[in-house]
Amino acid sequence: RKEVEQDPGPFNVPEGATVAFNCTYSNSASQSFFWYRQDCRKEPKLLMSVYSSGNEDGRFTAQLNRASQYISLLIRDSKLSDSATYLCAVPVGADGLTFGKGTHLIIQP
Amino acid sequence: EPEVTQTPSHQVTQMGQEVILRCVPISNHLYFYWYRQILGQKVEFLVSFYNNEISEKSEIFDDQFSVERPDGSNFTLKIRSTKLEDSAMYFCASSDGTSDTQYFGPGTRLTVL
Repeated sequence: RKEVEQDPGPFNVPEGATVAFNCTYSNSASQSFFWYRQDCRKEPKLLMSVYSSGNEDGRFTAQLNRASQYISLLIRDSKLSDSATYLCAVPVGADGLTFGKGTHLIIQP
Repeated sequence: EPEVTQTPSHQVTQMGQEVILRCVPISNHLYFYWYRQILGQKVEFLVSFYNNEISEKSEIFDDQFSVERPDGSNFTLKIRSTKLEDSAMYFCASSDGTSDTQYFGPGTRLTVL
């Protein structure tokens, strides 16, 4: 049973559009959730932390749906520089993060 | 802005050799982690370390792996007798412990020939 699942994409989106993707998790006891951004062959960079119903930071909004066990990431007014792989991560166990395989986003001019 | 650093950026080794990957976590952080990412696959948790001992390890972290904090700043991952399948990016991460938020270093690309 997969613990963190994401649609791998790719999502091809025109510049300026709004895009959203989801991440489902299996551990109903999880209290914190994370979205990381990963560029090709680089480290995951923290984008947003989610501890309650959601979080917003500029063009990025993360929402948590505990009943259905998923978190979503919404990107408004997308930029070419938003092209990356977006990783969902959930703590499973005492300390370690369990990552999804990531959703690949391509913003087209 | 403080960041996690890792050395070397790329390590090439022969199968069966030992390698040590080095990390300098963010200075006021207390929790340290190693993850790996095989090319094209997801980031996988290896081990967490707190108060000079392992607090959690995954199934991947078998007897060929060990971690150490040899001084006040470095955190190392040793892989004994490397195998071809150990080829991957190895990321170090650290956390201050007030939240679950982990910050990642730039990684070491390990190539086992």
